[in-house]
This record gives sequence, structure tokens and C-alpha cells, in this order.
Amino acid sequence: GNSVTQMEGPVTLSEEAFLTINCTYTATGYPSLFWYVQYPGEGLQLLLKATKADDKGSNKGFEATYRKETTSFHLEKGSVQVSDSAVYFCALSFNNDMRFGAGTRLTVKP
Amino acid sequence: NAGVTQTPKFQVLKTGQSMTLQCAQDMNHNSMYWYRQDPGMGLRLIYYSASEGTTDKGEVPNGYNVSRLNKREFSLRLESAAPSQTSVYFCASSGTGESIQYFGAGTRLSVL
Repeated sequence: GNSVTQMEGPVTLSEEAFLTINCTYTATGYPSLFWYVQYPGEGLQLLLKATKADDKGSNKGFEATYRKETTSFHLEKGSVQVSDSAVYFCALSFNNDMRFGAGTRLTVKP
Repeated sequence: NAGVTQTPKFQVLKTGQSMTLQCAQDMNHNSMYWYRQDPGMGLRLIYYSASEGTTDKGEVPNGYNVSRLNKREFSLRLESAAPSQTSVYFCASSGTGESIQYFGAGTRLSVL
């Protein structure tokens, strides 16, 4: 079946550090890939998405590239801010079946 | 700009009690979903509704029932709550042919 594996957290970084959160997927076809972010006390919000191989999703300084050859969709940001502290979920969607990773908690310290 | 609204935000139940979690969306979406979120396990789909009048089981449906009351509303019922149902519950919706889901703020449920 379809599944998503993402880097376990928690991740703690200093402000302006580089961020990478790894995500790999298993799918029977060619899924759409997503990163969602959950701020404390809130629901999940879409951060970025990619729908086909080699697509790059980007938003708010975050980027992720759909790599079919490595079945990966790693999230990166060049310089994190305290306001980026949240839980990040990698997800895939194929034939209306959405699967989420376990989530990675990021804490950014000033 | 309400989006997806869930009530209540918090609930404490005793084992064996029943309750209904309410969800409403104002985006005219056809598809609606109920997930539970547990530490280290991400979100798991309980039930979904592809359109008004239809519902289908997800990954973890046991112990739950749902009702798609109309296009806007999709409720989740626990008939006899168990401590294993202590979790955070999220409702989501999506448009036809749209893979992006929009989430409510969640209901934090504790079953004692």
C-alpha cells in the first residue's frame, strides 16, 4: 500500500540555520506529494505541493522537489525563523487516498 | 472566512459515554474526512464522504460512526467511548478533483 516515512524528530535549530526534513514515500502509482504544517493548537495547513516528477513546490522560503528516482520529497529552508516552529507532515495522495507521515516537530531557538 | 469549523474544541468523557463531534465547511466542497492524530503516528483516516449521501470506511473505523447530514456537515459519533479513543480528531474537506485538503482546528478528546 501507499505510505510515507519521514525523519523523526524533534529537530531543534538556532535561528538562521539551514533546515532539512527528510521524506520518502512508497506508492503503487504516481502520487501527488505535499508538506503540511501544524502550528500549536491549530489544524494542518498546506505548505507546498508537487504533482509530478521533478516539480518543485515552494512557499514562505520552504522548498521540496519531487524525486521519482529516489522516491523522496525532502523539505528544505535556507534560514529558519522562530516563527517556523511547528510540526511538519509529509503526505501523499493517490486516487483520493491521502497518507501522512508521522510528523516532525521543529523548534527554532532565537 | 471560516473554512472548516469543528465543535467542540475539547471534551472529556467517561468510558462508555457517547458523543458526537461536529464538522461544517463553507467552501462548497464535495468530499469530507475525519482523521485521528496520535503521537508518533501522524494522521489516520477514520471515515470519509466523497459526496452528500455517501460514506466509506478509512483505515481505523472501528468504534466510530459518521453521518453526512448535508453537503456542509459531516459528524463523527462515538457510541461507547473507550480510553483507546483518546486522541485529537480533525475534520477536513476537499473540492471535486482536488487533492488538497483543508483542515479544521481539531477536537481534543480524552476518555477516562
